[in-house]
Amino acid sequence: DIQMTQSPSSLSASVGDRVTITCQASQGISNYLNWYQRKPGKAPKLLIYDASNLGTGVPSRFSGSGSGTDFTFTISSLQPEDIATYYCQQYDTLLTFGGGTKVEIK
Amino acid sequence: EVQLLESGGGLVQPGRSLRLSCAASGLTFSSYAMGWVRQAPGKGLEWVSSISGSGANTYHADSVKGRFTISRDNSKNTLYLQMNSLRAEDTALYYCAKGTVPHNLGNAFDIWGQGTMVTVSS
Repeated sequence: DIQMTQSPSSLSASVGDRVTITCQASQGISNYLNWYQRKPGKAPKLLIYDASNLGTGVPSRFSGSGSGTDFTFTISSLQPEDIATYYCQQYDTLLTFGGGTKVEIK
Repeated sequence: EVQLLESGGGLVQPGRSLRLSCAASGLTFSSYAMGWVRQAPGKGLEWVSSISGSGANTYHADSVKGRFTISRDNSKNTLYLQMNSLRAEDTALYYCAKGTVPHNLGNAFDIWGQGTMVTVSS
């Protein structure tokens, strides 16, 4: 099984800050990596697919990069509405989600 | 507008069975793989099962293999999850989700339902 290790598990940042989350796969997964946002009481939302492609209607302050085993998700300028938990997900072999990163406003 | 509506959740005793349904609208249902993803209280997202658009190929997480079965009826635009031998650790909010491609596990899930809660307890 492929394990996805996300870090940090939580972070606190100010409005306007650049926020970075990393996701490491236990083996190479090419670019078969997606990022989701889950707000409390809401269903998850696909933000980034295939490591770096922006989902439909997703603001350009969100971005993703990486290939192989190491991936990065970035919010270029944190907004109050970005408070959520973010998950990476691989689809190279079956599907696996990372443990999640809870983003809060400082 | 694509919509997914789950139903069938509830309180069930350990060892018993439950079948979840997900009614889809606003899409050509058979053109997309579909999946189930769950979130236990206080935990993260966990993929459960996926099925290809035709229904020919199914996939299950090790944690549910042999107990859960995913299926679909493309004539009714409906996805199912038959859950047998339920355990306390199966307690979770179960989401139905649409894949972005028709084959295999669906790759990414771009449309999600609101979820249906399953509680396994005596």
